[in-house]
Amino acid sequence: QVRLLASGPGLVKPSETLSLTCTVSGASIYDYYWTWIRQPPGKGLEWIGYISFSGSTNYNPSLKSRVSMSVDTSKNQFSLRLSSVTAADTALYFCAKEHRDGYYDVAFDVWGEGTMVTVSS
Amino acid sequence: QSVLTQPPSASGTPGHRVTISCSGSSSNIGRNTVNWYQHLPGTAPKLLIYSNDQRPSGVPDRFSGSKSGTSASLAISGLQSEDEADYYCAAWDDSLNGHAVFGGGTQLTVL
Repeated sequence: QVRLLASGPGLVKPSETLSLTCTVSGASIYDYYWTWIRQPPGKGLEWIGYISFSGSTNYNPSLKSRVSMSVDTSKNQFSLRLSSVTAADTALYFCAKEHRDGYYDVAFDVWGEGTMVTVSS
Repeated sequence: QSVLTQPPSASGTPGHRVTISCSGSSSNIGRNTVNWYQHLPGTAPKLLIYSNDQRPSGVPDRFSGSKSGTSASLAISGLQSEDEADYYCAAWDDSLNGHAVFGGGTQLTVL
């Protein structure tokens, strides 16, 4: 059974960098694309971007200047960094696995539980 | 303002059928497949439909998806109280070097 577990600080100060890591178990990080998605309180889902095992990435154009993702194949983990955060970045952050190996169809069949990140001084 | 447009709310009575629409454009739904998610507050979203009309294993056949042109629909038949949730459509958008987009979500109420 594939499981994703996101971890990271739950509180980040304005203008600082949000950092989250998603640990994958039950699947190899080499086989799929890995995605970050967030949901601000009371709002809908927002796609942040994806990364592949080789490090290829694609980011939401509205966040592109502040987002970076990386992958650590030795630990079967992938990570998100979002710089210069503001209160608008307060959200429940999810990591997710693409449904088909080697393809990116925006079909995420496994999700982490979500980790709440609040931006506040 | 979401790239994919969904009605903010929908409702139906137990046993009946409800449909949720998702309207896009030629750069997203018009060229790429549509996926649907069910989201209960406080939990992780669940993939309900992928590739327009395919159900992952374990999803009841009460849920069905379709796509025509630049629009897609999710139909739920035999509505049950446990279907009360938020539903999101999602697709790849080929504009701006390509990125994924979600609909704004539809809150389904089972009356």
